[in-house]
Amino acid sequence: EVQLVETGGGLIQPGGSLRLSCAASGFTVSSNYMSWVRQAPGKGLEWVSVIYSGGSTYYADSVKGRFTISRDNSKNTLYLQMNSLRAEDTAVYYCARGVGGSGSYSLDYWGQGTLVTVSS
Amino acid sequence: SYELTQPPSVSVSPGQTASITCSGDKLGDKYACWYQQKPGQSPVLVIYQDSKRPSGIPERFSGSNSGNTATLTISGTQAMDEADYYCQAWDRPHVVFGGGTKLTVL
Repeated sequence: EVQLVETGGGLIQPGGSLRLSCAASGFTVSSNYMSWVRQAPGKGLEWVSVIYSGGSTYYADSVKGRFTISRDNSKNTLYLQMNSLRAEDTAVYYCARGVGGSGSYSLDYWGQGTLVTVSS
Repeated sequence: SYELTQPPSVSVSPGQTASITCSGDKLGDKYACWYQQKPGQSPVLVIYQDSKRPSGIPERFSGSNSGNTATLTISGTQAMDEADYYCQAWDRPHVVFGGGTKLTVL
C-alpha cells in the first residue's frame, strides 16, 4: 500500500528555517516524480517544487532561491528545506507522488499534510 | 508563466449534471487532470490524462479537453460530491494548478 507521511511542520519566526520530511512506503521515491504542494489557509493549491527521477529539481518562482527539495534514497524519504521563511509561506504542505507518461503529470497519492506557520 | 482559470463556484441540484471548466492557453495541447478536495482532507485525483479515471473513482466522473478548455463533468451528482475541485496541467517542467472551484450540491 502506498503511503506518504509528512513531518516537520510547526511555528517558526519570519526569517527562520525549517525542514519538512515525507516518508514514503509501498513504492520507491527515486523512481518517481515527487512534488511538494502547499495550501494557505482558506486558499487553493499551489505547486512548490518537483524532483524528477533523474534528480532534476524545479521550483515555483515564489520559493526559488529559498527552498530546496531533495531525497534520501536509503531512507525512501523526500525533503523540503525551507529558508528565509516569510508570513506568506504559512500553509499546509503536502508531498505527493507524481505519475507521468506521454507528456502527462498527475499526483496520484498525497500525504496528510503538515502545517507550517510563520509568525512572530 | 502558464495560468489555469476556473470559475470560483458552481451549483447543481442532486441527480443533475455538473460541469466545471478550466481554461488555459492551448490547454488542449497538454494533458489536464482534476482533483477533489473535501474540507480537512488531502486532495484526491479523480481524472488524469484528460479523461481517465483512477481505480476507485465512480463512473459518474468524466473529463474532456480541447482547444483552450478542459471540463470535468459529474453526472447524477450526489451530495457526497460537494467539494472543491482543482484542475492541473504540466507546463514542463513545472506543475500548474487552477484556482479551484467550489461545487455546491443543493
